[in-house]
Amino acid sequence: EVQLVESGGGLVKPGGSLRLSCAASGFIFSTYNMNWVRQAPGKGLEWVSCISSSSSYIYYADSVKGRFTISRDNAKNSLYLQMNSLRAEDTAVYYCARAGLVGSGYSHPLNVAFDMWGQGTMVTVSS
Amino acid sequence: SYVLTQPPSVSVAPGQTARITCGGNNIGSRSVHWYQQRPGQAPVLVVYNDNDRPSGIPERFSGSNSGNTATLTINRVEAGDEADYYCQMWDSSRDHVVFGGGTKLTVL
Repeated sequence: EVQLVESGGGLVKPGGSLRLSCAASGFIFSTYNMNWVRQAPGKGLEWVSCISSSSSYIYYADSVKGRFTISRDNAKNSLYLQMNSLRAEDTAVYYCARAGLVGSGYSHPLNVAFDMWGQGTMVTVSS
Repeated sequence: SYVLTQPPSVSVAPGQTARITCGGNNIGSRSVHWYQQRPGQAPVLVVYNDNDRPSGIPERFSGSNSGNTATLTINRVEAGDEADYYCQMWDSSRDHVVFGGGTKLTVL
């Protein structure tokens, strides 16, 4: 079955750290760029980070740059998000998303549509 | 930063046509994608590259993009279409992905 399964969410105090994982199955993980997208309770979607298939290109939203680190292990079909210096405003459901469809026009790792999403993992930052 | 503006809500009767807009400066020159998110579920891609449908998405879903407005059109709306809808694109000036604020579609 083609799927993405996130794990690692939980309750953490402000200033703390957490590492999220996303396990991919049913497709050739190493050929896809991958992303993290989050959604605060009752709010809209917010893109967090992107990593290219070979980890050559990495991008971050301004809101997490310098605090979060995206990585992947193609041998383990896994995507990760290391989150440090967590703040209350980082509280959200975190989704991993596959960049499976290329946008028209200029070729770029971020010019994509997300054709597959995991079910999400909840991160709560609170004292 | 590039901003995508969506109406907070749209209401439509069953069987009618719903149109959800996504406004942005010269958005017609960009490639826009649309997602459906039902309550408690992950988003699902329903339209990509302005007007293409992924496999498994009904033909009732279509899109257009011109000038400063991209539009998601849902024909013959059904109760199961009630959900939040988000537009998304690549902001090339900042190397970011941008989502619109989302539109809640209510089927009356």
